[in-house]
Amino acid sequence: QKEVEQNSGPLSVPEGAIASLNCTYSDRGSQSFFWYRQYSGKSPELIMSIYSNGDKEDGRFTAQLNKASQYVSLLIRDSQPSDSATYLCAVNMDYGQNFVFGPGTRLSVLP
Amino acid sequence: SAVISQKPSRDICQRGTSLTIQCQVDSQVTMMFWYRQQPGQSLTLIATANQGSEATYESGFVIDKFPISRPNLTFSTLTVSNMSPEDSSIYLCSALLGDLADTQYFGPGTRLTVL
Repeated sequence: QKEVEQNSGPLSVPEGAIASLNCTYSDRGSQSFFWYRQYSGKSPELIMSIYSNGDKEDGRFTAQLNKASQYVSLLIRDSQPSDSATYLCAVNMDYGQNFVFGPGTRLSVLP
Repeated sequence: SAVISQKPSRDICQRGTSLTIQCQVDSQVTMMFWYRQQPGQSLTLIATANQGSEATYESGFVIDKFPISRPNLTFSTLTVSNMSPEDSSIYLCSALLGDLADTQYFGPGTRLTVL
């Protein structure tokens, strides 16, 4: 069974710190990887996508992908209380035929 | 990016009745999805809806309980039939969009309460 795993948290970090969110996946053939943010009572919104090994930066967010280790992470620099949400990792497996979400990690940024 | 809308945004229904949720995308898409999410829980995929074919249901979900229509490339409906309080949840539709049509974008969700 195709799986995406994340630490359930909650992960608590002080304001201004770096939050590190991790995700592993089971399918070596996966080609595209995504991070979503979901505020309580709202639907998931896309933060970043990443396709190649290495880092991809967008503002305070950096996604990191290591296909050999089947590992993808999201770093949030200068964390703000408004970053407090659940972060979902998603992997498009089976060459686009199977989009699998992880269970999500709840992040709390403390003022 | 495309806009995905859902109707209704919320509803309170009586046990034994049915509710149809509509999902509209402002561009043509091949694949649409329906999810259920209990408060504080992760997303649970109900079914994948491709235009022109029968929906594909995940384990634990059946067509008689959750019939889905996909009449064209911009619209889908999910019906929750013969509802019980256990069906109280948020129902989300999504679609594969983006330059590579490999990214899921979500509608705002429908909050359903069954009394």
